[in-house]
Order: sequence, then C-alpha cells, then structure tokens
Amino acid sequence: DAGVIQSPRHEVTEMGQEVTLRCKPISGHDYLFWYRQTMMRGLELLIYFNNNVPIDDSGMPEDRFSAKMPNASFSTLKIQPSEPRDSAVYFCASIRWELGNTIYFGEGSWLTVV
Amino acid sequence: SQQGEEDPQALSIQEGENATMNCSYKTSINNLQWYRQNSGRGLVHLILIRSNEREKHSGRLRVTLDTSKKSSSLLITASRAADTASYFCATDDNNDMRFGAGTRLTVKP
Repeated sequence: DAGVIQSPRHEVTEMGQEVTLRCKPISGHDYLFWYRQTMMRGLELLIYFNNNVPIDDSGMPEDRFSAKMPNASFSTLKIQPSEPRDSAVYFCASIRWELGNTIYFGEGSWLTVV
Repeated sequence: SQQGEEDPQALSIQEGENATMNCSYKTSINNLQWYRQNSGRGLVHLILIRSNEREKHSGRLRVTLDTSKKSSSLLITASRAADTASYFCATDDNNDMRFGAGTRLTVKP
C-alpha cells in the first residue's frame, strides 16, 4: 500500500484565500484523523472520522475550518478565509481499529499564509 | 486537548549513551504508544504497550508502563546519531488518538 497520501505537500497562500488540503487514507482503514502541528502548540487533534462520519470536531479552532469525508478514500480540510496564524503543518492519519490502533501518518501539508 | 505529556522537552546526549524519555497521561487507557518524527516528516509508530503490560522491548527500545502513576518511559539504548528525532507518546482515549508535545532528542556523533 502507498500509505496515507496528502496533497499539496507545500502551499504558500495570501491571507484571505481559501486553502484546501487533501488526504487519501490507507485502503480499508475506518478512522481518519486531521492534526495540526506548530512549534507553539505541538500536535493538535482537529477532527476525526469513523466510517466517513465526523465523530469529534472539538479541536477545530474556528468556523473558518471545515472538514469533509465524502467517501472512504478521500477527505478534505478547508480553511476559509486563511490567516497567517493558520501557518502550520497539517497531518492526516488513518487507522483500522480492529487490527490494533497503530496510526499511520501522511507526510504532511506545509501551509504558509502570508 | 493533549492527553500525554512528555518530558524532558529536549534531550541532548552523546552517541552510545542511553536516552530516557517520560510520558504522563491523565485518563485511563487501553494502550499507550510511542512514535518518532524525523524533521519535516510524519510520525512513525515505534512500539505499543497495552494497559495490562508493564514492560516491552523492541530492539534497542524498552518501554515501561505504570498505570498506577499514569506514566510511561521510553529508553533507547546505545543511541546513534540517526536516533536524532522527536519522540511522542500517544494514548487512545475514547477512540481518538492524542499526542503529547514530544521530546526532541539530539544524539551527537
């Protein structure tokens, strides 16, 4: 398997623009997680899905952030409008829970908002 | 909110020395895991210890778990420069996976 695939790997955008981050989880995995990592706040859980259904979005910082999982093989994290303080690395990760909860991470999307 | 908290925040040692990192958590767990992150990369699973286990080994890694103290330690023996990375503990609280702030380990050649 190719692992968790994220795109884009790097994005630089201007404040106010819409940003869409994409994730393809490992086939057969039933949980998908979005994390944000910064030096100041570490690795924060933003939202997670089970079988495409959002379970806990309490970590989503503001209404400017939204996430969807229209099917088992695709998820998006959208920021609109983006702000400089959204600059971070955004990780997507997935698990097949019944096989044990080793979480597999993508390589991250490095977002810079200027 | 974060579940696990690692200490120290940063650790610098010489190659060949042992490195010990600690993790404390707040709620009951099914298991605790340790992950490694190289700079600019995603986290990679290292080892999992279940709540009914007290110690586990994998190569140069040794993990202990004390559920009464809600703490775990990761020991890397005979460290190498390639072990330089950040190390995180993670706990599964209600099926979500939360990580601590991590320990930044630097192994000097």
